[in-house]
Amino acid sequence: KAGVTQTPRYLIKTRGQQVTLSCSPISGHRSVSWYQQTPGQGLQFLFEYFSETQRNKGNFPGRFSGRQFSNSRSEMNVSTLELGDSALYLCASSSGTEDGYTFGSGTRLTVV
Amino acid sequence: DQQVKQNSPSLSVQEGRISILNCDYTNSMFDYFLWYKKYPAEGPTFLISISSIKDKNEDGRFTVFLNKSAKHLSLHIVPSQPGDSAVYFCAATYSGAGSYQLTFGKGTKLSVIP
Repeated sequence: KAGVTQTPRYLIKTRGQQVTLSCSPISGHRSVSWYQQTPGQGLQFLFEYFSETQRNKGNFPGRFSGRQFSNSRSEMNVSTLELGDSALYLCASSSGTEDGYTFGSGTRLTVV
Repeated sequence: DQQVKQNSPSLSVQEGRISILNCDYTNSMFDYFLWYKKYPAEGPTFLISISSIKDKNEDGRFTVFLNKSAKHLSLHIVPSQPGDSAVYFCAATYSGAGSYQLTFGKGTKLSVIP
């Protein structure tokens, strides 16, 4: 079966711009979570969506937002980009157990 | 405040020997722990997990040990193979979180030398 698909794989944006990243979960998975990976901080939880509702949010500024659609696909938006937002953004979908947490390959965002 | 700590950024092991990766946590509410493996340009892949009601879980060459009193867990890989070279992340969660939120350590880069 298809895994978690994230698009685009790579993205270069300029400071001050906004960006939207997309995640298609594994079919049947209703929970989608987003993580930011940076060399200094490791993987940090951004937010989790379940059935179109945000269930939990990490400690990130309001410039980071997301949403989930009725087909469980999710988007993440970052507005007013800063150089420090350069990172690998990972999406994970879940079948309902912690072991069912499957990650996509990520979107590498570079802010210049 | 880092709730999950992997104090060794890197580890080198000879092929065929045992690799031991360590992880410490501070939040006593964590009751489920996972290890993920990550290759460059790929997302993390689930390896093995353990519930706080157990002190050991084994899956093939991979064994995870949990010492609740010390808030410490370790991943043993025996025997180590060159294909095991990757970054390993320890993660923790608790059943009362109400959602699937994992708290990760910063990772340990394992290099298995042929």
